[in-house]
Amino acid sequence: AQKITQTQPGMFVQEKEAVTLDCTYDTSDQSYGLFWYKQPSSGEMIFLIYQGSYDEQNATEGRYSLNFQKARKSANLVISASQLGDSAMYFCAMRDGLFSGGYNKLIFGAGTRLAVHP
Amino acid sequence: ETGVTQSPTHLIKTRGQQVTLRCSSQSGHNTVSWYQQALGQGPQFIFQYYREEENGRGNFPPRFSGLQFPNYSSELNVNALELDDSALYLCASRGEDMNTEAFFGQGTRLTVV
Repeated sequence: AQKITQTQPGMFVQEKEAVTLDCTYDTSDQSYGLFWYKQPSSGEMIFLIYQGSYDEQNATEGRYSLNFQKARKSANLVISASQLGDSAMYFCAMRDGLFSGGYNKLIFGAGTRLAVHP
Repeated sequence: ETGVTQSPTHLIKTRGQQVTLRCSSQSGHNTVSWYQQALGQGPQFIFQYYREEENGRGNFPPRFSGLQFPNYSSELNVNALELDDSALYLCASRGEDMNTEAFFGQGTRLTVV
């Protein structure tokens, strides 16, 4: 069964420094997608970055990059130049791989709470 | 701003009651999914609707049901509420391309007392 593991319940980082949030996944599918979402205290899930299983390059979106190591089944999020507004919960998620019929769900990890200190 | 809105934002219900949560998706997003997020956990998939039909369901009992309407709105209904149903309920919508992200609403925080 597909599973996402985030082993860091909480992390803290100094403003302007970089931080890596860990994510490992388990799947027997050959085709899958990996996502990172940010959830501030308001509750909304904010999409950050996406990596497809067949993408050869690591995904980047502004200050966010995804360190994708397929053989190790890891998809760590790197946030460069942390800002105070980055303080939030961060969730790694995997798209269940089947495409037929338009059905695909997201499987989420337990999340990592990031605190950015001034 | 994701273009996905949920109502109400907060709700308190009594055990045994029924509740309806609503979601308005972006125009053109014909897939909507609902998730339950208990306190301190990641969201859990409840079900998905595609073109007004349920086409996928997670490990939730039949008292969790839904509807999707042609105007890109949808509902999550929960009957016979239990204390463990207290959670943040999130809806997410996307278009046809499964390689794109799902856009989430801000959620409805349900408290069952």
